[in-house]
Amino acid sequence: DQQVKQNSPSLSVQEGRISILNCDYTNSMFDYFLWYKKYPAEGPTFLISISSIKDKNEDGRFTVFLNKSAKHLSLHIVPSQPGDSAVYFCAASGTGTASKLTFGTGTRLQVTL
Amino acid sequence: KAGVTQTPRYLIKTRGQQVTLSCSPISGHRSVSWYQQTPGQGLQFLFEYFSETQRNKGNFPGRFSGRQFSNSRSEMNVSTLELGDSALYLCASSLMMDSPLHFGNGTRLTVT
Repeated sequence: DQQVKQNSPSLSVQEGRISILNCDYTNSMFDYFLWYKKYPAEGPTFLISISSIKDKNEDGRFTVFLNKSAKHLSLHIVPSQPGDSAVYFCAASGTGTASKLTFGTGTRLQVTL
Repeated sequence: KAGVTQTPRYLIKTRGQQVTLSCSPISGHRSVSWYQQTPGQGLQFLFEYFSETQRNKGNFPGRFSGRQFSNSRSEMNVSTLELGDSALYLCASSLMMDSPLHFGNGTRLTVT
């Protein structure tokens, strides 16, 4: 039972354009959501998070949007840079279990010149 | 500030053996979590420790165990290894129980 889904295994975007990565979840008990970036042979790197009391959080080029009614979140990267090429994981957790993350299967982002 | 350190980076074991993996969290972080990453199942939560106590546990058999020491360092043990235990084992630490996790680069375990 995949509680966190990233339906796009891969995405290719031109440098300078916007990258939009999507994530859906089914468990209504999730109230904390995060995005991680992963390069080969390295552990995931925390990018940005959002709690269920918000619908948007920004950090530099990264913005996460949360639509609770649709159980959907998205990560926007503007502008996209070649160094952003990596696998992006969406993750979620419930109240009091912030370390017990349920991860999506990841989306491989390729930023082309 | 040094990140999460995991040792060893690579390990090859034989079916039936046991293995111990080590994790040193970021200085000052008291919560340590362990995850398993496989191509088939993705990233899955194993367990979490805070102040030497296991707070949460994932859906893994009892062959998987862990502990945390008073200096927040953690070890994970897998007994009676099976071929399916071949995976990347990731350790993560966080400053407080509800802070984002910061991951190490993992230990790649191969069971033959």
